[in-house]
Amino acid sequence: EAGVTQFPSHSVIEKGQTVTLRCDPISGHDNLYWYRRVMGKEIKFLLHFVKESKQDESGMPNNRFLAERTGGTYSTLKVQPAELEDSGVYFCASGRGGSGANVLTFGAGSRLTVL
Amino acid sequence: AQSVTQLGSHVSVSEGALVLLRCNYSSSVPPYLFWYVQYPNQGLQLLLKYTSAATLVKGINGFEAEFKKSETSFHLTKPSAHMSDAAEYFCAVTPSSGGYNKLIFGAGTRLAVHP
Repeated sequence: EAGVTQFPSHSVIEKGQTVTLRCDPISGHDNLYWYRRVMGKEIKFLLHFVKESKQDESGMPNNRFLAERTGGTYSTLKVQPAELEDSGVYFCASGRGGSGANVLTFGAGSRLTVL
Repeated sequence: AQSVTQLGSHVSVSEGALVLLRCNYSSSVPPYLFWYVQYPNQGLQLLLKYTSAATLVKGINGFEAEFKKSETSFHLTKPSAHMSDAAEYFCAVTPSSGGYNKLIFGAGTRLAVHP
């Protein structure tokens, strides 16, 4: 099966601009997650979709971040306006439903650099 | 709050030497534990997982990890390092109760293997 696809792989923007990151999960995976790694620190949870619904968005830093998953397929994460501290690598992961230790499949990440 | 500590942000070993990457966790309930690896320009790949079955878990590429509840540890080992093992390794935890995979990651350990 195809893996989790993210693009762009790298985006360089100036402070105040807008960037939209996209994630295509594995087909049939209802669960989609966004994570972020800033400056070589821990990878931190941002939010979780089950199909098109936001299950948990407790990790979203502030209201400059907007995530959507229309139709329960691909997801976008928009940062508007971007700030310097938003630089980092944004990972998307998908998994099947149900409880337990379901394995998440991660994408290669989208590296965001805000100048 | 749960946390994961990986001792040593950088570890360097000789080819053929033992690899030991340390991970300690804090959790109020018995957790599920994971090791992920990230090779350059690739996504996070699952190496192995502990889900309350056998405490010694074998993963891919000759890696294994042992869950020690008394020490709240889940160290990753490989008897003989190969050049291809050079990558960044992440330990992660999720509570066994909870219903979904809100992974909490450590800061990562970059493994270098030299001839």
